[in-house]
Amino acid sequence: DAGVIQSPRHEVTEMGQEVTLRCKPISGHNSLFWYRQTMMRGLELLIYFNNNVPIDDSGMPEDRFSAKMPNASFSTLKIQPSEPRDSAVYFCASSLGIGITTFQETQYFGPGTRLLVL
Amino acid sequence: LAKTTQPISMDSYEGQEVNITCSHNNIATNDYITWYQQFPSQGPRFIIQGYKTKVTNEVASLFIPADRKSSTLSLPRVSLSDTAVYYCLVGDMPWDGGSQGNLIFGKGTKLSVKP
Repeated sequence: DAGVIQSPRHEVTEMGQEVTLRCKPISGHNSLFWYRQTMMRGLELLIYFNNNVPIDDSGMPEDRFSAKMPNASFSTLKIQPSEPRDSAVYFCASSLGIGITTFQETQYFGPGTRLLVL
Repeated sequence: LAKTTQPISMDSYEGQEVNITCSHNNIATNDYITWYQQFPSQGPRFIIQGYKTKVTNEVASLFIPADRKSSTLSLPRVSLSDTAVYYCLVGDMPWDGGSQGNLIFGKGTKLSVKP
């Protein structure tokens, strides 16, 4: 398997623009996670899905952020409108865990998308 | 990520200080120590992160001895709402998920705060 695939790897945009990050999880995995990493806040969980269903999105910082998982092999994280403080590395991860074992199973991470909002 | 060991559970009472210790004997030079808090049906939340000595923020303190083979999360004057699972993670920060590949929160320490 190719592992978790994310695109784009780098994104530079201007404040106010819409940004869409994409993720393809490992085939057969039941859970998908979106994380954001900054030097100030470390690795923060934004949202996670079990079987394509969003379970907890309380980590999403604002209404400007939204995530979807229309099927088992694709997810998007959208920021609209983007702001400079959204600049960070955004990781997507997937795992076999589900339900109560969601965070007890190994999460396999993608390479991340480095977002810079000017 | 370095392997970590922490107690499965702890009990405390409201108003007490709680210290949760995590062992990470194989910590590498570039590794940071990060603690997360998780409530039922929610994902883990970042609490605090440190490299050495002591770090303090608005919710907790993190004590790391000179050899860095362990760390202690200190929660001052806990309340009922601090009942949660606490995870200790050790890894290279900023974490390059692509090269390191995986992350596991494990079972953490289940803290129960009683009235």
